[in-house]
Amino acid sequence: QVQLQQWGAGLLKPSETLSLTCAVYGESFSGYYWSWIRQPPGKGLEWIGEINHSGITNYTPSLKSRVTIAVDTSKSQFSLKLSSVTAADTAVYYCARGRYGIADYYYYYMDVWGKGTTVTVSS
Amino acid sequence: SSELTQDPAVSVALGQTVRITCQGDSLRSYYASWYQQKPGQAPLLVIYGKNNRPSGIPDRFSGSSSGNTASLTITGAQAEDEADYYCNSRDSSGNHLVFGGGTKLTVL
Repeated sequence: QVQLQQWGAGLLKPSETLSLTCAVYGESFSGYYWSWIRQPPGKGLEWIGEINHSGITNYTPSLKSRVTIAVDTSKSQFSLKLSSVTAADTAVYYCARGRYGIADYYYYYMDVWGKGTTVTVSS
Repeated sequence: SSELTQDPAVSVALGQTVRITCQGDSLRSYYASWYQQKPGQAPLLVIYGKNNRPSGIPDRFSGSSSGNTASLTITGAQAEDEADYYCNSRDSSGNHLVFGGGTKLTVL
């Protein structure tokens, strides 16, 4: 059974760089897209970006200038770095596995999620 | 457009049927996926594709799509279905993912 285990620093000061890692257990790393999603306190889900096993990335436009997602296939891990954090980056951060399918239309879904890491930005 | 729009809150009487909707231009090209999130937990995939349920999801959950609107239907809502529900899709370019704002479902 596939599991995602995530970790990283939970308390940051403004202007520091957020760094999180997500390890994939029980499944091949290839053939999927690996995403980071965040959820500010009391708010909805926000997609941050994704990477595949070849290192191809996509980022949400609003965070693109500050985000780097990287992959280490030898360890079946992928990581998130978000630079110059502010209080607005305080959130629970999730990693997730995504996959495509096609019926009459294309579809995309995230079927495995990490438990989430709470990141607080405070001076 | 890269937005998905959901009603903020919906309520349903125990045992009745409720439909949660999600609107967006990208839904003319992509099926939505639906996630259930309970307080303090990670989202859980409940519907994906045309109308597919992951293993372990009760068959009272179903999905449908028409034009720019996707719907999640719970037939015979149970108390444990009380949660936040989010729709999700690739955007029209296919390069990004978008989430709806979420719908808080209350089971009365």
